[in-house]
Amino acid sequence: QSALTQPASVSGSPGQSITISCTGTSSDIGTYNYVSWYQQHPGKAPKLIIYDVSNRPSGVSNRFSGSKSGNTASLTISGLQAEDEADYYCCSYTTTTTLDVFGTGTKVTV
Amino acid sequence: QVQLVESGGGLVKPGGSLRLSCAASGFTFSDYYMTWIRQAPAKGLEWVSYITDIGKAQYYADSVKGRFTISRDNAENSLYLQMNSLRAEDTAVYYCARRRAGRFDPWGQGTLVTVSS
Repeated sequence: QSALTQPASVSGSPGQSITISCTGTSSDIGTYNYVSWYQQHPGKAPKLIIYDVSNRPSGVSNRFSGSKSGNTASLTISGLQAEDEADYYCCSYTTTTTLDVFGTGTKVTV
Repeated sequence: QVQLVESGGGLVKPGGSLRLSCAASGFTFSDYYMTWIRQAPAKGLEWVSYITDIGKAQYYADSVKGRFTISRDNAENSLYLQMNSLRAEDTAVYYCARRRAGRFDPWGQGTLVTVSS
């Protein structure tokens, strides 16, 4: 099972909006709405910020939003803040034997 | 609060073995599938293995199949990963995470495994 494809890096200025794409196949993102996104600061464990394509866990800022179209999911961060500088990973349920597959990761620079 | 704490990492020689543990608290452990996920230095996340809620089924990434064994003790609220025949490419931070449909939450703080002679 190949990893989902994300851009290696995305940058933006404070206050701007950025979007990170996550491209899969019809075996994962294209079929299932079990897409999640994780934020990871250096030296820290990943943290769930979006699940089921577009749902935010309690306590996660509403500046984070998710969507999906076809085989591609997207994470949008609006009103970019310095604290948003981190690595971001998507993940999807998949019909292959691994059951879950992560994206390649995107480094966000503010 | 919901918490996962890993332990058992360390330095091991190629071909050696190590057993990781993950202590869970703050939730009904036996209600959830549990997962091990790893991250090699400066690399992305890689799903390693998961086990169903009562431990009847286990799944492994091809890269560890036949060498790693996941298990759990629901009475002790603990998850384990027995790692045998370790290779340099197994060097990584290993995280345990609670798995629900399509998502992993929360994650433990991670434990570092270094395979080197």
